[in-house]
Amino acid sequence: EVQLLESGGGLVQPGGSLRLSCAASESTFTNHVMSWVRQAPGKGLEWVSLISSGGADTYYADSVRGRFTISRDNSKNTLYLQMNSLRAEDTAVYYCASLGPTWETFNYWGQGTLVTVSS
Amino acid sequence: QLVLTQSPSASASLGASVKLTCTLSSGHSTYAIAWHQQQPEKGPRFLMKLNTDGRHTKGDGIPDRFSGSSSGTERYLTISSLQSEDEADYYCQTWGTDIWVFGGGTKLTVL
Repeated sequence: EVQLLESGGGLVQPGGSLRLSCAASESTFTNHVMSWVRQAPGKGLEWVSLISSGGADTYYADSVRGRFTISRDNSKNTLYLQMNSLRAEDTAVYYCASLGPTWETFNYWGQGTLVTVSS
Repeated sequence: QLVLTQSPSASASLGASVKLTCTLSSGHSTYAIAWHQQQPEKGPRFLMKLNTDGRHTKGDGIPDRFSGSSSGTERYLTISSLQSEDEADYYCQTWGTDIWVFGGGTKLTVL
């Protein structure tokens, strides 16, 4: 079972930047497609971004494309999300998740880290 | 456009069974989905992948009380012998070309 631990959340002003990290427990991290999913307060889940196991392929939701960048360091078993030009509507708990080999389902989830965008 | 629709809420009594529904948008009746559970104040948990023919593959440690079925554009999650810890939000999820989509979630109350 893969265990995922997010960090890096906090309070940031509109227009600011923040980088989230997600540390994975397994050395097999290298084999996993990884993703970020967020949940605004009192709302449902929203897919944000996804990266292939090697890092060459990345995908973004329209709501964050051009502002957020997903990346990974397989030597450190860590996933990242660089968030720039943050808006109030980006306020949410951000979860990292690993996908199965078919890139279809989010099979393991972290506990999340809260990002609050407010002045 | 790939959309998943769920009823906002459902309720059932302790020990009873409940069937939650996730409806795929028109033109997407051949899509498989996944079900996820989110207990209060916790991260989501993968329950199962559910295929068009009703076959499903469960996540680690998911009890037999959880099962899935399909009919047309509808995908179902049935929970039998309801327990208090089943009170949670349940999300369906699917995938398309370069996109991953969640339904709005169903809040299940165990009476």
